[in-house]
Amino acid sequence: KAGVTQTPRYLIKTRGQQVTLSCSPISGHRSVSWYQQTPGQGLQFLFEYFSETQRNKGNFPGRFSGRQFSNSRSEMNVSTLELGDSALYLCASSLEGGTGDEQYFGPGTRLTVT
Amino acid sequence: AQSVTQPDIHITVSEGASLELRCNYSYGATPYLFWYVQSPGQGLQLLLKYFSGDTLVQGIKGFEAEFKRSQSSFNLRKPSVHWSDAAEYFCAVGGDTGRRALTFGSGTRLQVQP
Repeated sequence: KAGVTQTPRYLIKTRGQQVTLSCSPISGHRSVSWYQQTPGQGLQFLFEYFSETQRNKGNFPGRFSGRQFSNSRSEMNVSTLELGDSALYLCASSLEGGTGDEQYFGPGTRLTVT
Repeated sequence: AQSVTQPDIHITVSEGASLELRCNYSYGATPYLFWYVQSPGQGLQLLLKYFSGDTLVQGIKGFEAEFKRSQSSFNLRKPSVHWSDAAEYFCAVGGDTGRRALTFGSGTRLQVQP
């Protein structure tokens, strides 16, 4: 079974631009979560989607948004990029996103904002 | 609000030596606890998880962890470390809202000396 895939793996953007990251969950998984990882703040939860609906959201500004498609693939978008948005963005999928479900992480997208 | 503390930022052990990584959590109810490992340039891999029942949990790669409610701890152990265990280790607790969002500790970087 293929794992969680994230595209692109690396991205360089300029301040003020916007970016879209993509995540394809494991086949059969309906829950997709996004995390931001930075050296200063560590791993922080962005949001979680299930059946095309955002179920849970972390403490990030509205510039960070996401969506999920009917095939469970998910995208996250960051508008008006800031230097502080440089980070590794990790996507995780699970069957239903419930308490007993293991989250499987993708390799991440490394975003650099210059 | 829930939180996770990993007091050791960096640990160095000799190959073949035993290992213990510390994790303390703060959570209002019965916690859902996890240990993940991250190798350079990779996503997170789940080592083990604790939801309930036996307080000593066995995981993959020879790791185990013990849940101690009285000490609010969930320390990770391995009796004999291999050079391939060099990585960053994260302790996490399940989220407040349906336990779908994970709160991570700041991580412990493990270096293994030959």
